[in-house]
Amino acid sequence: SYELTQPPSVSVSPGQTARITCSGDGLPKTYTYWYQQKSGQVPVVVIYEDIRRPSGIPERFSGSTSGTMATLTISGAQVEDEADYYCFSQDITADHRGVFGGGTKLTVL
Amino acid sequence: EVQLVESGGGSVHPGRSLRLSCAASGFTFDNHAMNWVRKRPGKGLEWVSGIDWNGARIGYADSVKGRFTISRDNDKNFLFLQMTSLRPEDTAFYYCVKKSHDYGGHFEHWGQGTLVTVSS
Repeated sequence: SYELTQPPSVSVSPGQTARITCSGDGLPKTYTYWYQQKSGQVPVVVIYEDIRRPSGIPERFSGSTSGTMATLTISGAQVEDEADYYCFSQDITADHRGVFGGGTKLTVL
Repeated sequence: EVQLVESGGGSVHPGRSLRLSCAASGFTFDNHAMNWVRKRPGKGLEWVSGIDWNGARIGYADSVKGRFTISRDNDKNFLFLQMTSLRPEDTAFYYCVKKSHDYGGHFEHWGQGTLVTVSS
């Protein structure tokens, strides 16, 4: 079965750059999406279609891809960025199946 | 304002069935693909199933394929998830999620979820 692999946790100090990776064999063929979920809240998309940032998401959030890996970068992480982050991809041209990564707990302190 | 209101969750024994519903409002329902995503206790998000705007393209996670069926009623603005042969590992909050496009796109709006508990 298709899987996306993320590190369980990433920890940075405020103002440092946080990088969260997501690896999967299918990533070169599909878009990667990144979702932020804070405690008690529904997820919010922070990056879509690999690199695009929705309106209202701070510029410090960026996405990139290279081969079978996608990366979410938070440049100058803030305390309010502390959350769980999930990558997601879906092969909408084939079996329409989607998959989330296991999630990464970002700690900023 | 977009609203997605799930219902139909509850507590059932293993092997039984449940039907989840999602009432959608505040947007043109048949312009958007819809999905079900679940979150098990202490676990991460898990994509369950998705359906495009007219039901022509449907997908399921391996963990539910053959047991769950997604469908939609574009006249009444409802999304459904028929769940059969339920297992304890299906215990989770189930979220109805609207996508940004009729076919692909990102998860744009989420419901508040309905809890399904499968236990003997």
